[in-house]
Amino acid sequence: NAGVTQTPKFRVLKTGQSMTLLCAQDMNHEYMYWYRQDPGMGLRLIHYSVGEGTTAKGEVPDGYNVSRLKKQNFLLGLESAAPSQTSVYFCASSYELAGGSSYNEQFFGPGTRLTVL
Amino acid sequence: AQSVTQLGSHVSVSEGALVLLRCNYSSSVPPYLFWYVQYPNQGLQLLLKYTSAATLVKGINGFEAEFKKSETSFHLTKPSAHMSDAAEYFCAVSERGYIPTFGRGTSLIVHP
Repeated sequence: NAGVTQTPKFRVLKTGQSMTLLCAQDMNHEYMYWYRQDPGMGLRLIHYSVGEGTTAKGEVPDGYNVSRLKKQNFLLGLESAAPSQTSVYFCASSYELAGGSSYNEQFFGPGTRLTVL
Repeated sequence: AQSVTQLGSHVSVSEGALVLLRCNYSSSVPPYLFWYVQYPNQGLQLLLKYTSAATLVKGINGFEAEFKKSETSFHLTKPSAHMSDAAEYFCAVSERGYIPTFGRGTSLIVHP
């Protein structure tokens, strides 16, 4: 199993450009998440999904959009990149515990380092 | 509402010394608690988790954590630090049915 993979690993954008980050998991997990990590700020949730075709906003959703058309993929889009979006982006997935929906341990991808000039 | 506080953004220890990383949480219901480790330029990986079974939880690489409800704490310990333990450590709390909330992380520095 590859686990959680992220594409690309690095990217440099100019202000106003757009891009899509791809996350893929091969563990058949229901839940997927996008986080950004900035120095001293820990992990902040951008958007998440509890299943195919569903998405929801997290703590810092402004400037980002997401889609989950297939269970194994979760895309994060930046329509018009800004320098404030310079960060390391992590995707994660988790499975539903037996007995009902409940957020459990998360499996993380290796991250995408994005710089917006 | 759930929240988590990690005391100390940096902790420095000598190789062979005790490692103690502090985590306090706030939760209105019995929570799930997690410790993750992040090595440089990598994603996070689970060290251990508490899910209302034994209060002393053992994880990978010799780490363990004790859930103390009266102190709302879940501190991470290791009896003897190794150079390879140098990394960023994150505590996370999850009330059942809610997405985990992460602390800001503690950087563990191990001196030879």
